[in-house]
Amino acid sequence: NAGVTQTPKFRILKIGQSMTLQCAQDMNHNYMYWYRQDPGMGLKLIYYSVGAGITDKGEVPNGYNVSRSTTEDFPLRLELAAPSQTSVYFCATHGSPAYEQYFGPGTRLTVT
Amino acid sequence: AQSVTQLDSQVPVFEEAPVELRCNYSSSVSVYLFWYVQYPNQGLQLLLKYLSGSTLVESINGFEAEFNKSQTSFHLRKPSVHISDTAEYFCAVSLSGGYQKVTFGTGTKLQVIP
Repeated sequence: NAGVTQTPKFRILKIGQSMTLQCAQDMNHNYMYWYRQDPGMGLKLIYYSVGAGITDKGEVPNGYNVSRSTTEDFPLRLELAAPSQTSVYFCATHGSPAYEQYFGPGTRLTVT
Repeated sequence: AQSVTQLDSQVPVFEEAPVELRCNYSSSVSVYLFWYVQYPNQGLQLLLKYLSGSTLVESINGFEAEFNKSQTSFHLRKPSVHISDTAEYFCAVSLSGGYQKVTFGTGTKLQVIP
């Protein structure tokens, strides 16, 4: 039982490149989230999903896209990477009711 | 919509001294309240939570928090901190029932000084 896994752990992108951050959970939870964490700014919600085939925008969705074709996977796509997207990205999941969120170990992304 | 405020961005405290990390929330309906801890270079993990019932909740490593509805607060306390408590602590709130989007505070870095 791995919980929440994220790949890659680290990545350096050049401006304008694109990439997909992978997130998978084996807890059979419906809810999944993508957050970014910048120093001193707490967690900002990018996108979330309440089940396979259903996604919605969070606070800071610009420059990102998501899909949820299965319960287990919730990839985050960055198109045309910008320096402002340099951050640590966390994927999280919880069941219903939301008694506890489970976080992945994070992906540290640098865009130069 | 709910929101949560953590007024202190950093709290230095000497080892074995008591500490309080402050959290205030705003919501017009019933909420769940959480404290998460993030150790360096790790993800967040749940420290303790208030869902209903007793307003005083405790963690396995000596932290406690009290839900105060009249003051809309959920402050985290520990009577005697250890070096290993050095971490960032996040307060979070979600609405009880229905779709429960969780909102996080900006975090408080606890630095325990030997």
